[in-house]
Amino acid sequence: KNQVEQSPQSLIILEGKNCTLQCNYTVSPFSNLRWYKQDTGRGPVSLTIMTFSENTKSNGRYTATLDADTKQSSLHITASQLSDSASYICVVSARTGANNLFFGTGTRLTVIP
Amino acid sequence: NAGVTQTPKFQVLKTGQSMTLQCAQDMNHEYMSWYRQDPGMGLRLIHYSVGAGITDQGEVPNGYNVSRSTTEDFPLRLLSAAPSQTSVYFCASSYMPTMNTEAFFGQGTRLTVV
Repeated sequence: KNQVEQSPQSLIILEGKNCTLQCNYTVSPFSNLRWYKQDTGRGPVSLTIMTFSENTKSNGRYTATLDADTKQSSLHITASQLSDSASYICVVSARTGANNLFFGTGTRLTVIP
Repeated sequence: NAGVTQTPKFQVLKTGQSMTLQCAQDMNHEYMSWYRQDPGMGLRLIHYSVGAGITDQGEVPNGYNVSRSTTEDFPLRLLSAAPSQTSVYFCASSYMPTMNTEAFFGQGTRLTVV
């Protein structure tokens, strides 16, 4: 069964600190893995997209890693800011079919001053 | 570029009422989709379309209808609202999902059925 699991469910960190969010998946055949940021009351916004051949991709203070062998990804946030408070959703795309996006339940990050 | 425009942002319905959630995109994307987001669950696909005139069911299609008469518009119709349809609804558009391009989401519609 194609599944995407994220951990932790929620996380509270101090402003300026770093954190790492995890995503494990069983989606096959794999096409790409996406990380989205969803602010409260808004739609998800794409942070990164990684294909099978990419191990790491950065977008400012956000760095995503992918290990396609172990089917794991992480999103590392450096020097957190209050505006990083949001839900972060891992989405894995399968290589076949039109109905092929599998969503994790997200990690709720709260950055406190 | 407006991206994906969803209306309304909030809606309260009585059980049994019908309504249409509007979604429009201006990026000439072939693929459009509707999701619902409930607490503690990932986004679940309701219906999707790979082009004008073509629609298909997703994971949770019951109680919803869609049509795709143009590339730009993809409305979602609730035929007879039920409390179980209380949720936040998102419309998204992209090039075909098998391509490694991002999906763009609308702002969401928070629907409450009483």
